Amino acid sequence: QVQLVQSGAEVKKPGASVKVSCKASGYSFTAYYMHWVRQAPGQGLEWMGWINPNSGGTNYAQKFQGRVTMTRDTSISTTYMELSRLRSDDTAVYYCARPFGVVIGWGQGTLVTVSS
Amino acid sequence: DIQMTQSPSSLSASVGDRVTITCQASQDISNYLNWYQQKPGKAPKLLIYDTSNLETGVPSRFSGSGSGTDFTFTISSLQPEDIARYYCQHYDNSAALTFGGGTKVEIK
Repeated sequence: QVQLVQSGAEVKKPGASVKVSCKASGYSFTAYYMHWVRQAPGQGLEWMGWINPNSGGTNYAQKFQGRVTMTRDTSISTTYMELSRLRSDDTAVYYCARPFGVVIGWGQGTLVTVSS
Repeated sequence: DIQMTQSPSSLSASVGDRVTITCQASQDISNYLNWYQQKPGKAPKLLIYDTSNLETGVPSRFSGSGSGTDFTFTISSLQPEDIARYYCQHYDNSAALTFGGGTKVEIK
């Protein structure tokens, strides 16, 4: 079945960068976009963007353009989301997701805490 | 950018009650609207796709309707296991996603 396994929790200082990984299995990795969604504590869901694992093409939410970079390594069926210039309000659980469509799955979430 | 306005932000109902959540788009989105359930500490789960289609394995007490700018999500008979937060979500032709603000459903 579809499995998305993310890297572990991170603690970062303001101004630093974080890179979260998401390893996919159970389906054709290059056939479907991977989305990234985040959720601040007690808040709603916020879409960050997607990557096309086949071409490497990306589409970022305007809010994150210039700060987020999504990449992939097809040899290990893994996508990455890097967020730079971290602020305290970037503290959130970050999910990789295939939220709907033919292939559906969510990662377990990665808590990123930004604190001095 | 399209905005999705979801209401109410929270509600309290009794077991067996009919529960309705609405989602309004800032412009016509046809039927490109999904509904998710999220329980504490868990990832969201897709319940309804393309406005009214029940995802496989989802109980039939959940339903969705609407088109254009106004959409409704209904739980026909609220069960204790339905306590969660619910989100509407639009997707556009570039596969960009927009979520509503969420509705917290509690048992009275």
